[in-house]
Amino acid sequence: DTEVTQTPKHLVMGMTNKKSLKCEQHMGHRAMYWYKQKAKKPPELMFVYSYEKLSINESVPSRFSPECPNSSLLNLHLHALQPEDSALYLCASSQDGAGSTRGYTFGSGTRLTVV
Amino acid sequence: QKEVEQDPGPLSVPEGAIVSLNCTYSNSAFQYFMWYRQYSRKGPELLMYTYSSGNKEDGRFTAQVDKSSKYISLFIRDSQPSDSATYLCAMSGSGAGSYQLTFGKGTKLSVIP
Repeated sequence: DTEVTQTPKHLVMGMTNKKSLKCEQHMGHRAMYWYKQKAKKPPELMFVYSYEKLSINESVPSRFSPECPNSSLLNLHLHALQPEDSALYLCASSQDGAGSTRGYTFGSGTRLTVV
Repeated sequence: QKEVEQDPGPLSVPEGAIVSLNCTYSNSAFQYFMWYRQYSRKGPELLMYTYSSGNKEDGRFTAQVDKSSKYISLFIRDSQPSDSATYLCAMSGSGAGSYQLTFGKGTKLSVIP
């Protein structure tokens, strides 16, 4: 299995809703990432988990809350989002907790619309 | 000066043409260089991965890295309509935090049948 699987593929939520994005990989990768990508822009790093511990939080607002229940799963909990948070949310994973981006694999993303 | 510069295009070529995509960078700590292809509304897909300077070839794709000039290129031979996508260069350093990718803005390529 060489894939990163993200669910759901599409999500529409109101500004008062609570929802979660899910990401799963079975490649034995020990680093997992959340990226946000706006239209016609490159992906922007949000969070990095290395060996199931949060190692980087790129000054992301608290309405985004990551969780790594185990080495194969990564969640992003969403609460009280704003319309400007509408974007493609990408999960990625890579070999090693640090040191190499070889085998960095992205999922297909969740397209989030906040209304 | 941005860390990674990439011409966003759009770039339009006829089928069968040779395509040249480029990025320049300013951070001399970058050691790992990647090219990703991203189709509309999909996640980026790794095309080429190169460590340090040199060339790497995979089928119709050739990646070149010139660290002395801080310049990387991706060449696509015999381009096909299915190559129409946005191409993102990305790079990272070594040591702690090296798993963090720095992306270019992406170049949108259209291959016309």
